[in-house]
Amino acid sequence: EDQVTQSPEALRLQEGESSSLNCSYTVSGLRGLFWYRQDPGKGPEFLFTLYSAGEEKEKERLKATLTKKESFLHITAPKPEDSATYLCAVLPGGGNKLTFGTGTQLKVEL
Amino acid sequence: EAGVTQFPSHSVIEKGQTVTLRCDPISGHDNLYWYRRVMGKEIKFLLHFVKESKQDESGMPNNRFLAERTGGTYSTLKVQPAELEDSGVYFCASSPRTRDIQYFGAGTRLSVL
Repeated sequence: EDQVTQSPEALRLQEGESSSLNCSYTVSGLRGLFWYRQDPGKGPEFLFTLYSAGEEKEKERLKATLTKKESFLHITAPKPEDSATYLCAVLPGGGNKLTFGTGTQLKVEL
Repeated sequence: EAGVTQFPSHSVIEKGQTVTLRCDPISGHDNLYWYRRVMGKEIKFLLHFVKESKQDESGMPNNRFLAERTGGTYSTLKVQPAELEDSGVYFCASSPRTRDIQYFGAGTRLSVL
């Protein structure tokens, strides 16, 4: 059975204090690993897809990386508007259902 | 371009009643998915439509849940009769036929009292 574990569950940063979120996964033939951002009362908002080990994607202050067992979401010099829950999900080869982790709740303070 | 829209945003019902949730996917998206998040747990897959056909309904909890997708456009998820453990947030997502990215709606928060 596919499994996704995210850590930490919650993270509090000062503005400008860089950090990384972790997503460990087991999946039968990874087709893609997805990062989403979720704000309170809203649905998950797509950020990145990674398909193979060694791949990296960047968007503003966020960079996602992928190995064969885990993915990291690096946040460089975060701002308060980066506060949200970040979700990791995997898509298995030959399947269409995403398996999600429980997310990391990030709060960035001034 | 309009995103995935879900209605209602919040529903409060009594145990034993029936509730119908609606999802309008992004126009032109053949794939439509239902997911659910119960309190404190991760988002979990319920089922997947390709156009009007059910492709995978392995995540449906039991036969009190019925999903339909009329003419390959909008979808409904009916819970009848509702139980307390059905409370949670129900998300709908859609994707184009040839892409893996699933775009989510804002969800329907269901409270069964």
